[in-house]
Amino acid sequence: KAGVTQTPRYLIKTRGQQVTLSCSPISGHRSVSWYQQTPGQGLQFLFEYFSETQRNKGNFPGRFSGRQFSNSRSEMNVSTLELGDSALYLCASSLGVRVGADTQYFGPGTRLTVL
Amino acid sequence: GESVGLHLPTLSVQEGDNSIINCAYSNSASDYFIWYKQESGKGPQFIIDIRSNMDKRQGQRVTVLLNKTVKHLSLQIAATQPGDSAVYFCAETGSGSARQLTFGSGTQLTVLP
Repeated sequence: KAGVTQTPRYLIKTRGQQVTLSCSPISGHRSVSWYQQTPGQGLQFLFEYFSETQRNKGNFPGRFSGRQFSNSRSEMNVSTLELGDSALYLCASSLGVRVGADTQYFGPGTRLTVL
Repeated sequence: GESVGLHLPTLSVQEGDNSIINCAYSNSASDYFIWYKQESGKGPQFIIDIRSNMDKRQGQRVTVLLNKTVKHLSLQIAATQPGDSAVYFCAETGSGSARQLTFGSGTQLTVLP
């Protein structure tokens, strides 16, 4: 079974721009969660989508948003990029039966650099 | 939110020795814990998990121990191999209807030849 895939793998943007990242979950998984990983803050939860609805949200500003499609694929968007948004953005998928308590499997991440 | 912390940021072990990576968690209501391994340039890889109704769980060369009394989690790796070199994260999901994964800061495991 194919794992979680994320595109693109690397991205360079400038301050003020916006960016959209894509995630395809493992087949059969209905939950997709997004995380931001930085050296200073570690791995932080952004939000979770299940059946096209945001089910849970971390403590990030409204510039960070996401959506999920009917095939469970998900996108996250960051608007008005700031230098501090430079990070590895990770997507994880799970069955989603038990909120936050199903095993999550991670993709390779998208490395975003904001100049 | 509450945080999960790791005792040691780095750990070096000789190839073939056993490794023990520790983790302290603060949310006593957490009922699900996971260990992940992250190699350079890759996303976290699931290693093993344990639910709060268990004290110990074994996988292939790995064992997770949960001590709810002192809110402590550990990962034991038997016969450590060079391929085990990575950053190891513990994570807990809290409890309730709005659970989310909260990660520790990670431990860098280096296997020495």
